[in-house]
Amino acid sequence: NAGVTQTPKFQVLKTGQSMTLQCAQDMNHEYMSWYRQDPGMGLRLIHYSVGAGITDQGEVPNGYNVSRSTTEDFPLRLLSAAPSQTSVYFCASSRQVNTEAFFGQGTRLTVV
Amino acid sequence: GDSVTQMEGPVTLSEEAFLTINCTYTATGYPSLFWYVQYPGEGLQLLLKATKADDKGSNKGFEATYRKETTSFHLEKGSVQVSDSAVYFCASQGGKLIFGQGTELSVKP
Repeated sequence: NAGVTQTPKFQVLKTGQSMTLQCAQDMNHEYMSWYRQDPGMGLRLIHYSVGAGITDQGEVPNGYNVSRSTTEDFPLRLLSAAPSQTSVYFCASSRQVNTEAFFGQGTRLTVV
Repeated sequence: GDSVTQMEGPVTLSEEAFLTINCTYTATGYPSLFWYVQYPGEGLQLLLKATKADDKGSNKGFEATYRKETTSFHLEKGSVQVSDSAVYFCASQGGKLIFGQGTELSVKP
């Protein structure tokens, strides 16, 4: 049972480039979410989804897009990377919105 | 909107000392409350949870009680070990899961 898988683990982008952070879970969880972790800021919610075809914005959605075409996958897209998006990104999933969340190992993104 | 506030770190303790990390929340309704722990280089993992007022969550010697009257969920452990060194996050889950800013704990031998 793989749990929550994030790829890549590390990425360096140039300002203005676009990329997609992948997140997949094999637990048939309905709820999935993306966070960014910055020193002294804790984890801030970017976007979340309560099921396939349904997404919503979190605390810091600007500069990021998401879609949820299947239950398993919840990719995060950076349309035009900026240095302010340098961070560690975590994907999480849970069976329902108020149950235990399982986290991926994180993606460390640097934008230069 | 909903929010979670934790005491600032870092917290440095000697082995076998008593630990308290304060956490308060604001929310509409009655969210579930969680403590997650993050070891260096890893993602977060659930430490304990409570789903309603006066519930006590416990795991690995850690405890926290859901106090609706004070909107708090303070984490405690009677005797910490070096292996408890990590970052601890308080979280509230109503319609979405939100976290406090994290408290780094360092336990010295």
